[in-house]
Amino acid sequence: ETGVTQTPRHLVMGMTNKKSLKCEQHLGHNAMYWYKQSAKKPLELMFVYSLEERVENNSVPSRFSPECPNSSHLFLHLHTLQPEDSALYLCASSPRGSETQYFGPGTRLLVL
Amino acid sequence: EDQVTQSPEALRLQEGESSSLNCSYTVSGLRGLFWYRQDPGKGPEFLFTLYSAGEEKEKERLKATLTKKESFLHITAPKPEDSATYLCAVQAVGSNYQLIWGAGTKLIIKP
Repeated sequence: ETGVTQTPRHLVMGMTNKKSLKCEQHLGHNAMYWYKQSAKKPLELMFVYSLEERVENNSVPSRFSPECPNSSHLFLHLHTLQPEDSALYLCASSPRGSETQYFGPGTRLLVL
Repeated sequence: EDQVTQSPEALRLQEGESSSLNCSYTVSGLRGLFWYRQDPGKGPEFLFTLYSAGEEKEKERLKATLTKKESFLHITAPKPEDSATYLCAVQAVGSNYQLIWGAGTKLIIKP
């Protein structure tokens, strides 16, 4: 596969469930991102992992937990989510020395 | 406060009817401005990066321009397949990875 892939594409979970979102990039990039996209709102950066640093948005609740085992894989672990967490979760990557980000297709999450 | 505002929120055009989308920004120093296209159910697709006022870039029916306060995405003789949401983002000087995003303009081209 090429580009940035995300699994699953759709996820429905209850508030007591634990699930994980997976992202994989096949572009040789060195930075990976998690974004939350809600209807009619700007993309919200949640986490950034690069070879140099990890950046996180301090407003992201602790029920979201990122994991980046290597430069090609990124996970977002979810637990005890709230209905307002329902959104499209996008993964992106960017190459060293460039700010251009390349996105995956997203995971549509519905929390019941 | 750094901010990006896109207008209009939605735009309906007839096929062949040219128009422009606006992205106004307020940052302490601009490192780059990005345009993306997003189709329903998909992730944003990169279109252009602009770095300095006066710069222009073109791709098929799209042309992006940049001033010190705003960017325009001009669409010439659009086709129905140009229908999508167009997103604008800016990177401020001193920001390594964080982009400031606008809420997007939903463009609908009717045949």
